[in-house]
Amino acid sequence: EIVLTQSPGTLSLSPGERATLSCRASQSVSSSYLAWYQHRPGQAPRLLIFGASSRATGIPDRFSGSGSGTDFTLTISRLEPEDFAVYYCQQYANSPVTFGQGTKLEIK
Amino acid sequence: EVQLVQSGAEVKKPGEALKISCKGSGYTFTNYWIAWVRQMPGKGLEWMGIIYPGDSDTRYSPSFQGQVTISADKSITTAYLQWSSLKASDTAMYYCARKTSGWYPVDYWGQGTLVTVSS
Repeated sequence: EIVLTQSPGTLSLSPGERATLSCRASQSVSSSYLAWYQHRPGQAPRLLIFGASSRATGIPDRFSGSGSGTDFTLTISRLEPEDFAVYYCQQYANSPVTFGQGTKLEIK
Repeated sequence: EVQLVQSGAEVKKPGEALKISCKGSGYTFTNYWIAWVRQMPGKGLEWMGIIYPGDSDTRYSPSFQGQVTISADKSITTAYLQWSSLKASDTAMYYCARKTSGWYPVDYWGQGTLVTVSS
């Protein structure tokens, strides 16, 4: 099973700042089958990025993903108030599908 | 519009059985997989398993194999997650989510079903 480790656990930033979230895999993720999800309290998770760097339908371009192999990054260029949430990475290359433990992005 | 509508919150006692549902609409139900994901209180997301309603091909994560049963009734575009004997540790929010075939992640999610197991 591929273990995904996200860092930091909590990130405190202000609206307008840039956020950089990391996801490290215990082994290489084939063909960059790595996704990012946003999860706001009381809502369903939302797919942001798939294939490590492709934005899902309707996702603003301030969200971007990068990386390959074992190291992946989600960047939010300019934080909006609605961006403060928990973010999860997920690998879907190997069975079982696994998630990282999450990074909580909170308002400073 | 793609929608996955889950059944309502449940409060059960240890040892009781339970079946929760996820109804898909706005797309061809038999052409997409339905996954189930657990979120225990204060914890992250865990992949439980996935079913292809077109032929009922079902795959479980090792951690959940034998603990739950995933099924689907394509005639009513509904997937199910069931327990034969609940434990307190099954207390969690359970989400269903849709996945297309091939190397893609789940895209649309249900609103979640909160299951509370307490004596």
